[in-house]
Order: sequence, then C-alpha cells, then structure tokens
Amino acid sequence: GDSVTQMEGPVTLSEEAFLTINCTYTATGYPSLFWYVQYPGEGLQLLLKATKADDKGSNKGFEATYRKETTSFHLEKGSVQVSDSAVYFCARALGRGAQKLVFGQGTRLTINP
Amino acid sequence: DAGVIQSPRHEVTEMGQEVTLRCKPISGHNSLFWYRQTMMRGLELLIYFNNNVPIDDSGMPEDRFSAKMPNASFSTLKIQPSEPRDSAVYFCASSLAHQGRADTQYFGPGTRLTVL
Repeated sequence: GDSVTQMEGPVTLSEEAFLTINCTYTATGYPSLFWYVQYPGEGLQLLLKATKADDKGSNKGFEATYRKETTSFHLEKGSVQVSDSAVYFCARALGRGAQKLVFGQGTRLTINP
Repeated sequence: DAGVIQSPRHEVTEMGQEVTLRCKPISGHNSLFWYRQTMMRGLELLIYFNNNVPIDDSGMPEDRFSAKMPNASFSTLKIQPSEPRDSAVYFCASSLAHQGRADTQYFGPGTRLTVL
C-alpha cells in the first residue's frame, strides 16, 4: 500500500554539521510531499513541501527535492544549529483530493553545541 | 491568527470514564483532521471532515471513539469508555481545501491523554 519510510533515528550531530534525513515513498501517481517538524511539547509545523516531480522545497536553510526516479524526498541542511533539534516527519498526500497525509515514523534529531 | 486551538492540553482520567477532546480550527479553513500519536504506532489519522461532514473515518480504532463537527468552528473527539491503551497525544489539524484539493495542514498543540 501507500507508505512513507524514513531513516531511522535518533540522529545526533555537532553544530554546523551537514544533515541528511532520508525519506522514500510508495505511491501511484505523483503525490505532494512534505516535511513537518515537531519541537518538544508542540504540534507539527510544515517545514517545506513539493507538489510535483523535480520541485525543490526550501525553508530555514532546509531543502528537499522531489525525485520521482528514486521515489525519494530527502531532507538536507548544510549547517545545522542547536535550535534545529526536533523530530522531523516526512509525509505524502493521499486519498480523494489528496487531503489525507501519510506520515513516516519520524526522525529525532539532536544537535550538540 | 490564533492558530488551531485544542483543549484541554492535558487530561488524566481513569479507565471507563468518558473523555471529550475539543478543537477549534483556523477561521476560514474547511477541512479538519484528528490524529493520534504514540511511540509504538507513530502518527495516525483517525478521521477527517470537509465542510463539517465526515469524509473518512477508517482510522477510528473502534466504536468507543466518535467525532463530531457541529459547525465550522468546533469539533470534538469522544472516547467512551476510555482504556489505558488510549493514552496518547491527540492532535487536531485544519486546512483549506480548494476545488476539492487540500493545502497545508496546520496542527494544534495537542492534548496529552493519560488513562489510568
């Protein structure tokens, strides 16, 4: 069925390190893809999205490119900060009108100073 | 905008009691979603509404769970009777669906439910 698979965590990096969190999806067609971030004690917030193949979503230094050839949407950031510590969720749209979201299991990221 | 508002933020109850969670979506949004988050199962969609009408409730775990949306600015998720395995964080989210297609979902802060 339709699913989203994320790189398992937790991930621990030092400040200013390069970040990649892998995400792959199974789908029929070309669903919209999303990265959400959840800070401690809060709800999820949209970080970035891409609605069609080859689109690149970007926000706050994070980027992800919609790769239909590899069915992937990997999240990257060139230089992470302590404030980036959070749980990151990859998601794809699903269902009638693409209103449902299917989430990956989440990847906990900790950045040490 | 105040964002999606959920209440209560924390709820502790005993097994067998009725629990009601409340959500006020962002004004002007016409789609509303209820999610449950646990360590074991991650984030699961329970039910969603368009224009106050339930569209897909396939994620509702069992008959003990029910959700209503009496108007565009209010929704409830009820568990009766509650069980310890219902302990989780419950999120409400809203979005604006245009021509049947949805935009970004905005999440509330969640309600942490503990059933003893």
